[in-house]
Amino acid sequence: GENVEQHPSTLSVQEGDSAVIKCTYSDSASNYFPWYKQELGKGPQLIIDIRSNVGEKKDQRIAVTLNKTAKHFSLHITETQPEDSAVYFCAATFNSGNTPLVFGKGTRLSVIA
Amino acid sequence: EPEVTQTPSHQVTQMGQEVILRCVPISNHLYFYWYRQILGQKVEFLVSFYNNEISEKSEIFDDQFSVERPDGSNFTLKIRSTKLEDSAMYFCASSSPDRGMTGAFFGQGTRLTVV
Repeated sequence: GENVEQHPSTLSVQEGDSAVIKCTYSDSASNYFPWYKQELGKGPQLIIDIRSNVGEKKDQRIAVTLNKTAKHFSLHITETQPEDSAVYFCAATFNSGNTPLVFGKGTRLSVIA
Repeated sequence: EPEVTQTPSHQVTQMGQEVILRCVPISNHLYFYWYRQILGQKVEFLVSFYNNEISEKSEIFDDQFSVERPDGSNFTLKIRSTKLEDSAMYFCASSSPDRGMTGAFFGQGTRLTVV
């Protein structure tokens, strides 16, 4: 089955700097890669996703890149703000209806003002 | 904005007792899921539910667990004879039929503490 590895486990950046979180996946059949943000006391919230037919997707300060050959994908947050501080999870799945997501272990991002 | 709601937010139970975790998925969604997250570990898939039956389950989801959609709005996870290692955050999620697990919305979770 699918296995997703995520690095780093913790990340501290100065406000205004960029943050990059990287994930690798094992199953070449996976074709859907979402990123979730989890704030304290809340459930994971989908912030951006990418499908295997594209290499990059942007949404304001957030971007995700996908390298299918190397089987890795990354989350990029530019101009970080204190409210970006949270735990970020990557996930992967094969989009065949309700095939479950396989999550990474999460990255705790701290943005220091 | 529509959201998945879970109750209770925190449940403390004695080892060996049964607990029922409740979820109200988004109203027009037809796929439902339970995930759990042991402190400091990955979010792990437990079970998915569609058309009033389990469509997929993980190795974690053994006979101790069951799910039910007792009415048109609720989706429940029952854990029988709880064990200490069942202590975790349990997340319910739902998605629309044309998107499956993609674009799933998660609830805020129920923290289960077994003592």
